[in-house]
Amino acid sequence: NAGVTQTPKFQVLKTGQSMTLQCAQDMNHEYMSWYRQDPGMGLRLIHYSVGAGITDQGEVPNGYNVSRSTTEDFPLRLLSAAPSQTSVYFCASSHDSYQETQYFGPGTRLLVL
Amino acid sequence: DAKTTQPNSMESNEEEPVHLPCNHSTISGTDYIHWYRQLPSQGPEYVIHGLTSNVNNRMASLAIAEDRKSSTLILHRATLRDAAVYYCILRPGGGAQKLVFGQGTRLTINP
Repeated sequence: NAGVTQTPKFQVLKTGQSMTLQCAQDMNHEYMSWYRQDPGMGLRLIHYSVGAGITDQGEVPNGYNVSRSTTEDFPLRLLSAAPSQTSVYFCASSHDSYQETQYFGPGTRLLVL
Repeated sequence: DAKTTQPNSMESNEEEPVHLPCNHSTISGTDYIHWYRQLPSQGPEYVIHGLTSNVNNRMASLAIAEDRKSSTLILHRATLRDAAVYYCILRPGGGAQKLVFGQGTRLTINP
């Protein structure tokens, strides 16, 4: 198993540009989520999904959209990038909402100029 | 959400035990205590979790106070690979996996 994979590893955007961060898992996990981590800080939940077709907002959802059309994929879309969205983005998955272990991807480092 | 308090940083020596404390005085009866760690330039990694009883696994031990207002993650024999930021997190029982990360404890291991 590849586990949780994220692409790209690094991206530079200009203010106002849009882009999609990709996240995929091959463990048939129902629960997937996106976090952002700012320098020197802990992770903050952006959006999460408890299964295909179901998404919900986390702690910091503004400026981001998600969809979950398949069990494997959970892309995160930045609609109009802002410098405040400069961060490292982590995707995570677990078997279901109540499983104790979440598996995190390697992260995408995003710089918005 | 119930909050946790951890020291910003700790230092230990290789091959010695490490005790990482966490205070969670506002914990509710159904909150699980989770520990994750984040190695440099990597995503967080699950370490251990518990509810009331002490727990052991291949990575670490978790000691939970009788009143559950504090807990301690124990690394029995630290290696250089254990240098990481360790997060103590409370997760409501029966709730979705919406982990709330604090700033964690940065653990430095001296050779």
